[in-house]
Amino acid sequence: NAGVTQTPKFQVLKTGQSMTLQCAQDMNHEYMSWYRQDPGMGLRLIHYSVGAGITDQGEVPNGYNVSRSTTEDFPLRLLSAAPSQTSVYFCASSYELNTEAFFGQGTRLTVV
Amino acid sequence: AQKVTQAQTEISVVEKEDVTLDCVYETRDTTYYLFWYKQPPSGELVFLIRRNSFDEQNEISGRYSWNFQKSTSSFNFTITASQVVDSAVYFCALSEPFRRDQFYFGTGTSLTVIP
Repeated sequence: NAGVTQTPKFQVLKTGQSMTLQCAQDMNHEYMSWYRQDPGMGLRLIHYSVGAGITDQGEVPNGYNVSRSTTEDFPLRLLSAAPSQTSVYFCASSYELNTEAFFGQGTRLTVV
Repeated sequence: AQKVTQAQTEISVVEKEDVTLDCVYETRDTTYYLFWYKQPPSGELVFLIRRNSFDEQNEISGRYSWNFQKSTSSFNFTITASQVVDSAVYFCALSEPFRRDQFYFGTGTSLTVIP
């Protein structure tokens, strides 16, 4: 079992560029989510999905899009990167709500 | 308002000392879940414990123990005889059953264990 796999691990973008952070899990979890981690702010929820075809916004969704066409994959798209999106991004999955979340290794994104 | 407060931003202890990490939460639900996660310097987030609101029994797992007190809305984490490998950022989190946006995370406590 690979668990939750995120790619890439590191990325540098120029302001205005777009990109997709990939997230895949092989545990057949229904619930998946994306967080960003910034110094002193803990983890903040960007978007989440309770199953294939269903997504919703979290606390800080602006500038990000998601889709969930399969149970396994939950990509996060940055539409037009801004320096404020410099952060560490984590994808997580859990079997159901209120259970432990399994996190990916994280993606360190720098926008210059 | 913060739903999960970890007032200790950074703590340093000398190896073999005991250390307690504080977590105070806020919720109106009678059913809820509390979690602790560890983030070592390598960056991944590791699940440590999940506790539901109806189980106030303290839990011990090796050198780790958790003290859940509903009366003070706290879920504190104690490491006994700390080791260098315990150096990490520790996050407390709250989950409410009728909210689909999963966790409210605290801002984390950075623990440094000095050899």
